[in-house]
Amino acid sequence: DTEVTQTPKHLVMGMTNKKSLKCEQHMGHRAMYWYKQKAKKPPELMFVYSYEKLSINESVPSRFSPECPNSSLLNLHLHALQPEDSALYLCASSTVGGVTDTQYFGPGTRLTVL
Amino acid sequence: AQKVTQAQTEISVVEKEDVTLDCVYETRDTTYYLFWYKQPPSGELVFLIRRNSFDEQNEISGRYSWNFQKSTSSFNFTITASQVVDSAVYFCALSEPSNFGNEKLTFGTGTRLTIIP
Repeated sequence: DTEVTQTPKHLVMGMTNKKSLKCEQHMGHRAMYWYKQKAKKPPELMFVYSYEKLSINESVPSRFSPECPNSSLLNLHLHALQPEDSALYLCASSTVGGVTDTQYFGPGTRLTVL
Repeated sequence: AQKVTQAQTEISVVEKEDVTLDCVYETRDTTYYLFWYKQPPSGELVFLIRRNSFDEQNEISGRYSWNFQKSTSSFNFTITASQVVDSAVYFCALSEPSNFGNEKLTFGTGTRLTIIP
């Protein structure tokens, strides 16, 4: 079962709101990823967690705060976002995060910031 | 730095035609992995294939086939007898190790494929 789930599917928030995106996988993977995808562009890596520790932060603004409570769960906390942060946010997981891994993606959360 | 080029931005073909999506990559690594993902309008990136740099055998899976040529740094994807359900954006990607040892995927810009009924 190669399934990664994400909630919510759609999210509309104001610039002063605080919200969270949730990602879950039950494949026993130990690496999880957050990507941001703008329209007609490829996904851009934001964060990588490996064995529940943050291993890559691609210079993402602090208004995005990732959290990995356990190996199955990945959250992305959002605060004081800007309209340009509106995008599709994709979560992925892979076995251990090594170069031989295949990343499996969730369906994404479409975020609109007003 | 690694780079993946998908020169075809958009392709439209009539249903049942064959179509080939091109992917050219650049890397200095001798060991690397190439991927194709499909992104239908729903948004999810669906994994299609992974190929390592030491395996140049072509692969066929149903109507899908992949041609990996190290000599030209290309990893092309052919859909035979296309169907409307094949309409999607297709991304070619290359894996590279980050400074922390984790995998990073370098994506091409994608090819939007439209199958006309």
